[in-house]
Amino acid sequence: AIRMTQSPSSFSASTGDRVTITCRASQGISSYLAWYQQKPGKAPKLLIYAASTLQSGVPSRFSGSGSGTDFTLTISCLQSEDFATYYCQQYYSYPRTFGQGTKLEIK
Amino acid sequence: EVQLVESGGGLVQPGGSLRLSCAASGFTFSSYSMNWVRQAPGKGLEWVSYISSSSSTIYYADSVKGRFTISRDNAKNSLYLQMNSLRAEDTAVYYCAREEWMSSAFDIWGQGTMVTVSS
Repeated sequence: AIRMTQSPSSFSASTGDRVTITCRASQGISSYLAWYQQKPGKAPKLLIYAASTLQSGVPSRFSGSGSGTDFTLTISCLQSEDFATYYCQQYYSYPRTFGQGTKLEIK
Repeated sequence: EVQLVESGGGLVQPGGSLRLSCAASGFTFSSYSMNWVRQAPGKGLEWVSYISSSSSTIYYADSVKGRFTISRDNAKNSLYLQMNSLRAEDTAVYYCAREEWMSSAFDIWGQGTMVTVSS
């Protein structure tokens, strides 16, 4: 199984900050990577697929990049509603695997 | 409105069985592959199982292989997960998720149903 490793596991930031979350795959996955946002008690929400394609309706302050094994999710100007947990997921092969999550907290 | 609604969760004893359902609406269910994903309390997301639109292809996580069975009824717009020989470590919120047809990312999720395995 492909292992997905996110860093950091948690992070404190302020509204207006620019933040970057990293996801590394244990083997090459081309661009078959998605990013999800999850708020407490809610289902995950798809933000980005194909490593860099913004899902319809997602604010443009979210962006993704990378291919192969190294990927990043960037939030250009944090808003209060962005404080949540973020997961990367590979869909290159089965079993599908998720990163362990990055919890973004208010400083 | 595109929607997935899970049901069937609850408290079950170790070794018991439970059948989860996921009702789809607002889209052509028969055209989409579907997945089950679970999340143990306070933990991350774990993919459980996949079924193609025609049920011709099915995959399972190693942790549930031989115990769980995924199925669907396209006439009823419904997805199922039959869970047998349940263990404490199966305790989780179970989500059904639609696989976006072009990318294979999970673009629509249900609200989840809680399964608790405990004596």
